[in-house]
Amino acid sequence: DAGITQSPRHKVTETGTPVTLRCHQTENHRYMYWYRQDPGHGLRLIHYSYGVKDTDKGEVSDGYSVSRSKTEDFLLTLESATSSQTSVYFCAISLLGTGDTGELFFGEGSRLTVL
Amino acid sequence: DAKTTQPNSMESNEEEPVHLPCNHSTISGTDYIHWYRQLPSQGPEYVIHGLTSNVNNRMASLAIAEDRKSSTLILHRATLRDAAVYYCILTGRGAGNMLTFGGGTRLMVKP
Repeated sequence: DAGITQSPRHKVTETGTPVTLRCHQTENHRYMYWYRQDPGHGLRLIHYSYGVKDTDKGEVSDGYSVSRSKTEDFLLTLESATSSQTSVYFCAISLLGTGDTGELFFGEGSRLTVL
Repeated sequence: DAKTTQPNSMESNEEEPVHLPCNHSTISGTDYIHWYRQLPSQGPEYVIHGLTSNVNNRMASLAIAEDRKSSTLILHRATLRDAAVYYCILTGRGAGNMLTFGGGTRLMVKP
């Protein structure tokens, strides 16, 4: 168990409201990722982080921002949620310190519904 | 990015071996082949990865073709718990493990 938790696990919100999802790890891994998964699509990378205050965009970053002020927490923020952001969000960490080829460990997911 | 092609679905009987194929004809010399699986209502789970040689671990075996244009994930004795979507993914060394997931193969295991 790589010690990764996501919160909240479920959230229902209204269009236009801000939403923050939190990913917390207990083992000091450098690389962290946020993916979303929608029916008919595989997982798609939103943003990733390669260290404190070091983040970069993934494939579907529009409408999302991230922050990593400390190693253990990686936050995903929807500044103004839209219905198209209804999805299941997965956080992942790389179990290799360099983020090089190796195993990713995924959290259990956060199901977000935007009405 | 190099792409992978997998069958949409496969069926297997419980306690029989399962061979899940993956084609990656545009693989580059430095691309690693990763396999993940996703059980219903869970996040993806790492299964195995390799570069050129066949690999074995407690979950599965990975057989890589000599030309590296295809690979096969082998589950030696399928159980009901192995019913999942299996993803074959290529990633380059130093890519920060930014995995690009395709549609995967949905494996159904019959008792």
